[in-house]
Amino acid sequence: AQTVTQSQPEMSVQEAETVTLSCTYDTSESDYYLFWYKQPPSRQMILVIRQEAYKQQNATENRFSVNFQKAAKSFSLKISDSQLGDAAMYFCAYRSFDAGGTSYGKLTFGQGTILTVHP
Amino acid sequence: NAGVTQTPKFQVLKTGQSMTLQCAQDMNHEYMSWYRQDPGMGLRLIHYSVGAGITDQGEVPNGYNVSRSTTEDFPLRLLSAAPSQTSVYFCASRRDIAGNQPQHFGDGTRLSIL
Repeated sequence: AQTVTQSQPEMSVQEAETVTLSCTYDTSESDYYLFWYKQPPSRQMILVIRQEAYKQQNATENRFSVNFQKAAKSFSLKISDSQLGDAAMYFCAYRSFDAGGTSYGKLTFGQGTILTVHP
Repeated sequence: NAGVTQTPKFQVLKTGQSMTLQCAQDMNHEYMSWYRQDPGMGLRLIHYSVGAGITDQGEVPNGYNVSRSTTEDFPLRLLSAAPSQTSVYFCASRRDIAGNQPQHFGDGTRLSIL
């Protein structure tokens, strides 16, 4: 079974600075998807960025980028030019490429990291 | 564009009561699922469905039932609520079970069992 670990329960950053959130995962699969979700106090789950494991190029979405290290099974999220609206809980998630077997298309989530942005 | 709609947003139950959490999506998605979110544990899959009439268990199915009579609706039933079921519940949908399409989440239901 796959596991996802976020070792930083809480992180903080000054407005306009850069912060990196860590995520590691354990899997025996070679093809899979990785995601970062943002959950603000409103409780919504908002997709921030996604990465296909077969792509070597790191995904980027505006101020958000990832450092995907497949061999190390690491998937960190970098937020540049942090804004007050970035304050939220961030979840790293894994999904198997193969929807059959015991994966049943599920997302496996990490424990989450609470990000505080100081003005 | 409503997306995934969950009702109610908040609910308090007494131990032993039953209730149904409603979930509806208007995107014609085949794959729907229910997760529960507990502190320090992320989200865990309760049940899922790959189409109307087809449901199956996820990681933590005990105490919950689901049905999928239409593509749009995927209700979650608690037959006899227990304090351990106090949690935030999310319904999610995706176009199909495979592929890299994003998962769309509802706004969640905060459920407290006294």
